[in-house]
Amino acid sequence: GESVGLHLPTLSVQEGDNSIINCAYSNSASDYFIWYKQESGKGPQFIIDIRSNMDKRQGQRVTVLLNKTVKHLSLQIAATQPGDSAVYFCAEKIQGAQKLVFGQGTRLTINP
Amino acid sequence: DGGITQSPKYLFRKEGQNVTLSCEQNLNHDAMYWYRQDPGQGLRLIYYSQIVNDFQKGDIAEGYSVSREKKESFPLTVTSAQKNPTAFYLCATKAGQGNQPQHFGDGTRLSIL
Repeated sequence: GESVGLHLPTLSVQEGDNSIINCAYSNSASDYFIWYKQESGKGPQFIIDIRSNMDKRQGQRVTVLLNKTVKHLSLQIAATQPGDSAVYFCAEKIQGAQKLVFGQGTRLTINP
Repeated sequence: DGGITQSPKYLFRKEGQNVTLSCEQNLNHDAMYWYRQDPGQGLRLIYYSQIVNDFQKGDIAEGYSVSREKKESFPLTVTSAQKNPTAFYLCATKAGQGNQPQHFGDGTRLSIL
């Protein structure tokens, strides 16, 4: 879902560990979800998406989990690397709509 | 993303001045979007267009205007009516009307002089 705030939630992990970034979405009628990665000064980069008829989808080093019962989305990154440091956004699309609603974002920092 | 070009990368506006941000794409995507991003926040939708010569207001359209005369281009004008224009502006495109991801350009940072 969308929330407004001046301070991003942050997550720090050790290089090589797995990361889990969470997102609570707002609308039970949402049928499509996307995770984006945004590095400083750049536009968001598509990571992975999932449709509401799925619970899990895997990509390269990333897994998205969808729990429709509690309206929760998570992004798991395996064996995090320094290049994974960025802000991660979830986005939802309500069924029938043509626009996305973005979450506030989570800043992921990888410690050496 | 390759294929979506936003220019300029940095832009400065004087009080009372209109400025136009450019977004060009060679992906042959039908839909184009403009977002505003403020520090520490997510993206908010300004305007979007699903087809040439048609566009719709997003959540924060006041003080902005757009046109979609060509499929490849979706310029955004920040007018003097926008009292707080300092932000990072992002353009995105999407291939069709189904459930597909939007792809983003690298943004224009607009500041007030």
